[in-house]
Formats: sequence, structure tokens, C-alpha cells
Amino acid sequence: NAGVTQTPKFRILKIGQSMTLQCAQDMNHNYMYWYRQDPGMGLKLIYYSVGAGITDKGEVPNGYNVSRSTTEDFPLRLELAAPSQTSVYFCASTQGVGQGIGGYTFGSGTRLTVV
Amino acid sequence: GEDVEQSLFLSVREGDSSVINCTYTDSSSTYLYWYKQEPGAGLQLLTYIFSNMDMKQDQRLTVLLNKKDKHLSLRIADTQTGDSAIYFCAESITGNQFYFGTGTSLTVIP
Repeated sequence: NAGVTQTPKFRILKIGQSMTLQCAQDMNHNYMYWYRQDPGMGLKLIYYSVGAGITDKGEVPNGYNVSRSTTEDFPLRLELAAPSQTSVYFCASTQGVGQGIGGYTFGSGTRLTVV
Repeated sequence: GEDVEQSLFLSVREGDSSVINCTYTDSSSTYLYWYKQEPGAGLQLLTYIFSNMDMKQDQRLTVLLNKKDKHLSLRIADTQTGDSAIYFCAESITGNQFYFGTGTSLTVIP
């Protein structure tokens, strides 16, 4: 099925460890995003990309890095995990409103706990 | 970023109508969407409205937009237990990057 695939679904990290959250989409969307969701706080944008080779910071980029070497993949890297990064992470993509109604397609999320 | 506000909780009885409200601050917001998030899942696009519209109806869903007050609402008619979820409004100027509200947790009481 076409869509946005995130892996892993769950992960427990120790403080100071590193990991990469994977995100892949097969809809040929140019725009891709990483959000974190904290209870009662909605979704906060971490990083986004408007196309392969182009990335930019969102509202809460500190402690994270991204790359976009292909249209399909947009991995999110945590270098030194901290308890404040315990959250649910969502990847999303869109073709933009120039080609239809727009709106995001979301992955199913990665639940990360840092202990 | 832009501020998008929603009430955190709403409870309704099965069969009643639900109205979920959202306010936003940027008068340039052009694209407004409603997403539904079921427990343990990602967000799914539910419906949308553009700033050149006042109302949009799609089966049990009615979206109302008051541009003057920067107020968006989602009405669910004949609410069912399967409608229990968190509902997010999201707004965008460009249609490519969205700002989300805090989400409204809807509980439907049988």
C-alpha cells in the first residue's frame, strides 16, 4: 500500500545513546516533515524538506539532525538522547496544494522513551 | 510559528452532534484541515476547507469557517462511538507547511 512508512514503532534509549528514525514514502512527494507529539502540546515541527538535498529547521530542531539524499527517504537522527526527547515522532509528506487538495499523509509514528 | 488553539476535551452522547472548535491567529491562513487520530495511530486527513469557502459538507461532517473571527469548527452529526478520537485542526498559508492545534479529545458516551 502506498503511504509513509516509519521504523521502528517503539524504541527505548539510554541517555547519551544515538539512533536514527527512518521514514520512507512511495508517493513521489517533494515535501517531507518530522513532528514530535507531546501530550496536550499538539504537534511541533522538528525539521522539514522541500526536496532532495534541501532541509530546514522547524520550531524545535535542537538535538536532532536530518538528511534528504533521495525523494523517498527522510531519516531523523538523535545524536545524544536526552529524557526531554521522550515523545512520539511522526513523519509526514505532501505533494502540496498545487497538485490537488494537499494535506499531509502521516506515518504511524515512532514511540521513543529515553531513560 | 502561528498559534492554533483548541479545547482539550469534549464529551458527547452517542447520536448527538459534536462541535469541535479551533481558532488561529494568522489572517493569511488559506488552507485549513481537520485530522483524526485514533489511539496508537498516526493522523488521518478528515476534511478540509480553503479560505475562499465559508462552509463545506461531507456526509456527517460540516466545516464552518469564519474568517473575520479566525474561527474554524468541525461538526459531526449523529456521533458514533467510532468517532472517539483526537481531532486536530491545522492551518497553512502556503499549503506546504502546516501548524497544528493541541488536539481535542472527543469521547462518545454510549
